[in-house]
Amino acid sequence: EPEVTQTPSHQVTQMGQEVILRCVPISNHLYFYWYRQILGQKVEFLVSFYNNEISEKSEIFDDQFSVERPDGSNFTLKIRSTKLEDSAMYFCASSDVWPTYEQYFGPGTRLTVT
Amino acid sequence: GNSVTQMEGPVTLSEEAFLTINCTYTATGYPSLFWYVQYPGEGLQLLLKATKADDKGSNKGFEATYRKETTSFHLEKGSVQVSDSAVYFCAPRRDSGTYKYIFGTGTRLKVLA
Repeated sequence: EPEVTQTPSHQVTQMGQEVILRCVPISNHLYFYWYRQILGQKVEFLVSFYNNEISEKSEIFDDQFSVERPDGSNFTLKIRSTKLEDSAMYFCASSDVWPTYEQYFGPGTRLTVT
Repeated sequence: GNSVTQMEGPVTLSEEAFLTINCTYTATGYPSLFWYVQYPGEGLQLLLKATKADDKGSNKGFEATYRKETTSFHLEKGSVQVSDSAVYFCAPRRDSGTYKYIFGTGTRLKVLA
């Protein structure tokens, strides 16, 4: 069964450093998403991406964040200058289109900012 | 906008006990409703879903019915197993625009042998 993959599984970085989290969505999907889950809290929507552009972003997704689909298979989330409060599990998801729009989630990348 | 309220956890049950995890939501329009499960150390897995009023989603012995009149989607299982220990998330999905999910806080379930 096709699945969404994410790398790395765990990333440790120092405050102020840039990180790139990578995702390979399911190949025929057209919508892509990033969510994050701070330890012990709910899963929060960050951004959705369709047709090579951001279709919606949350208040969390400020100028420090960016997304890109550089080569038609990868979908990346970049955090330019990490802060301690960016420490979280980041989930990538992709979805097919009509009629289900069901999202399939990757296993997540745990980001630890020290 | 959409929002969701889940019952607080953790919920601790003995094996073969009956499980109910309450979920209520507010939404504009008629969202699709989902339950996701997160096993320890893993990502989010779709457990079940319902896309319109009175639909019942079911999977692995879990069930939830889309109740439009009470805006609820409570998760139930008649006899839980130790392997059901996980965090369960209720998630309405806005069925327009970007189709994003709104996740609840999650309810941790611990089943004791």
